[in-house]
Amino acid sequence: GENVEQHPSTLSVQEGDSAVIKCTYSDSASNYFPWYKQELGKRPQLIIDIRSNVGEKKDQRIAVTLNKTAKHFSLHITETQPEDSAVYFCAARSSGSARQLTFGSGTQLTVLP
Amino acid sequence: DTEVTQTPKHLVMGMTNKKSLKCEQHMGHRAMYWYKQKAKKPPELMFVYSYEKLSINESVPSRFSPECPNSSLLNLHLHALQPEDSALYLCASSQILAGGTDTQYFGPGTRLTVL
Repeated sequence: GENVEQHPSTLSVQEGDSAVIKCTYSDSASNYFPWYKQELGKRPQLIIDIRSNVGEKKDQRIAVTLNKTAKHFSLHITETQPEDSAVYFCAARSSGSARQLTFGSGTQLTVLP
Repeated sequence: DTEVTQTPKHLVMGMTNKKSLKCEQHMGHRAMYWYKQKAKKPPELMFVYSYEKLSINESVPSRFSPECPNSSLLNLHLHALQPEDSALYLCASSQILAGGTDTQYFGPGTRLTVL
């Protein structure tokens, strides 16, 4: 089955700096890669996703890049703000996996004012 | 309506109790999911329903019993739970797209405490 590794587990940045979180996956048949943000006591919320026919996707201060050859994808947050502080989960889904998302272990991002 | 709703928000139950968690969506999604999440961990998939039929059961103990009465509703019936079952229980829903690239949307969860 799919295995997703996520790094780092914790990340502290100064407000205004950029943050990068990286994930690797094992199943070359994976074709969908969402990123979720989860604030304390709240639901995971989709912030951006990318499909395997695209190498990069951007939405305002958030971008995701995908390298299918190397089987890794990354989340980039620019101009970080204190409200970006949360746990971020990457995930991957194989086209043959009957709807099952495999999540990374999560990154606790803290943006220091 | 673009939300998944869950009730109750919080539930405290004893090990001999029977209770149910409820999830509802009105986005026309035909796949619905139950996840269990422990603190500081990613969501763990428990069950998947596709077109109201159970398609995945991730070796979940029988004290958890899912039910999908119609395409908008998903229940999780709880009986004889253990303290280690205390967790946040998340419901999610998605369309069913060819190739599996559909997005899952999560409900706010039910915080369950088993005494």
